[in-house]
Amino acid sequence: EVQLVESGGGLVQPGGSLRLSCAASGFTFSSYEMNWVRQAPGKGLEWVSYISSSGSTIYYADSVKGRFTISRDNAKNSLYLQMNSLRAEDTAVYYCARDFSMVRGVIDYWGQGTLVTVSS
Amino acid sequence: AIRMTQSPSLLSASTGDRVTITCRASQGISSYLAWYQQKPGKAPKLLIYAASTLQSGVPSRFSGSGSGTDFTLTISCLQSEDFATYYCQQYYSYPRTFGQGTKVEIK
Repeated sequence: EVQLVESGGGLVQPGGSLRLSCAASGFTFSSYEMNWVRQAPGKGLEWVSYISSSGSTIYYADSVKGRFTISRDNAKNSLYLQMNSLRAEDTAVYYCARDFSMVRGVIDYWGQGTLVTVSS
Repeated sequence: AIRMTQSPSLLSASTGDRVTITCRASQGISSYLAWYQQKPGKAPKLLIYAASTLQSGVPSRFSGSGSGTDFTLTISCLQSEDFATYYCQQYYSYPRTFGQGTKVEIK
């Protein structure tokens, strides 16, 4: 069974940093492209970042470019999101999400999410 | 970035109804469109990809159509478990973008 379990969320002050982790199991993590997607309270979905299976290709949303860094450790079956210079508008549930192997760009599995609150 | 616009934002319907949700892209995206369903407090679930291909395990009452800039998601006979919020998403180019969502509520 595919499982994606996020951790690392919490309350942080504006300008602060946080590192999210996602532990993957139930599939060959090193073969899959991964993403972070977020959802502000009561709002819609916003794609945040993508990383290829090897980590060689990375994309970011303009809203986080230069502040967030996505990475992965295939030996540990883990995905990460380093978030710096956090702003109130970064407050959201952050989902770790796997790309569908048959169709690049489509997400077929999501974690349950971890809440990040940016507030003083 | 490609802007995705869904309509309506809120749809009130009854069990057994046929409902249609529309998604429009700000530029042509061929058939690089997916639909997701999200229930409160839960992660989204993939329903349809490539505009019209049903994901494995998704009931056949769901269907998708369209290409280019205009797409639709249709639920042929609404069931109680279908009351949820639906999102379209383009994967034609980065950044991937979602529509704002359509909430299907009980009339």
